[in-house]
Amino acid sequence: EAGVVQSPRYKIIEKKQPVAFWCNPISGHNTLYWYRQNLGQGPELLIRYENEEAVDDSQLPKDRFSAERLKGVDSTLKIQPAELGDSAVYLCASSSQISKNIQYFGAGTRLSVL
Amino acid sequence: AQTVTQSQPEMSVQEAETVTLSCTYDTSENNYYLFWYKQPPSRQMILVIRQEAYKQQNATENRFSVNFQKAAKSFSLKISDSQLGDTAMYFCAFMKHAANSGYALNFGKGTSLLVTP
Repeated sequence: EAGVVQSPRYKIIEKKQPVAFWCNPISGHNTLYWYRQNLGQGPELLIRYENEEAVDDSQLPKDRFSAERLKGVDSTLKIQPAELGDSAVYLCASSSQISKNIQYFGAGTRLSVL
Repeated sequence: AQTVTQSQPEMSVQEAETVTLSCTYDTSENNYYLFWYKQPPSRQMILVIRQEAYKQQNATENRFSVNFQKAAKSFSLKISDSQLGDTAMYFCAFMKHAANSGYALNFGKGTSLLVTP
């Protein structure tokens, strides 16, 4: 069974440019999470989806960040425009209804904003 | 809000020795989960071990075990017979118990563990 797949693995952009990250969770997992991990820190939640519904987006900077999970499967996280402080690793995770407290993580997208 | 504190930014252990990583947390919840995740360099985060707060027995997974002290809000990880492949960043994390869906993980800042030959 494939794990959580994220792309791209690395992205370098100039400030004020837009950027998008893609995540495909483990098949059958209804809950999807996006976390941001700053250098030297633990991950912090940006948004959580239950199927196609965003049930916790309180930490998502809505002026520049947006996310969608059409059809309740894969998800896209977008930043527009990017700022220098957005440089971080963006992690996607998923969990199933049966084992809802166990999250499986993707390899992440490392974003560098110049 | 829940906070997780890992007071050891870096640790080092020799191969085959035992090492203990510390974690404390603060919460007003009575039912919750605690986790240790491992993040090898440039690789994805994987679950090492999980503890349910209502279980008094400490969780074990092969060479990994925890010392869960609920009253003291302490959750340490012991790695026995350390191997070179254990070199990684280790994160302690907290999750509220939920009946119907998952909650976000609250992570500590991590402890970088280096296993030397």
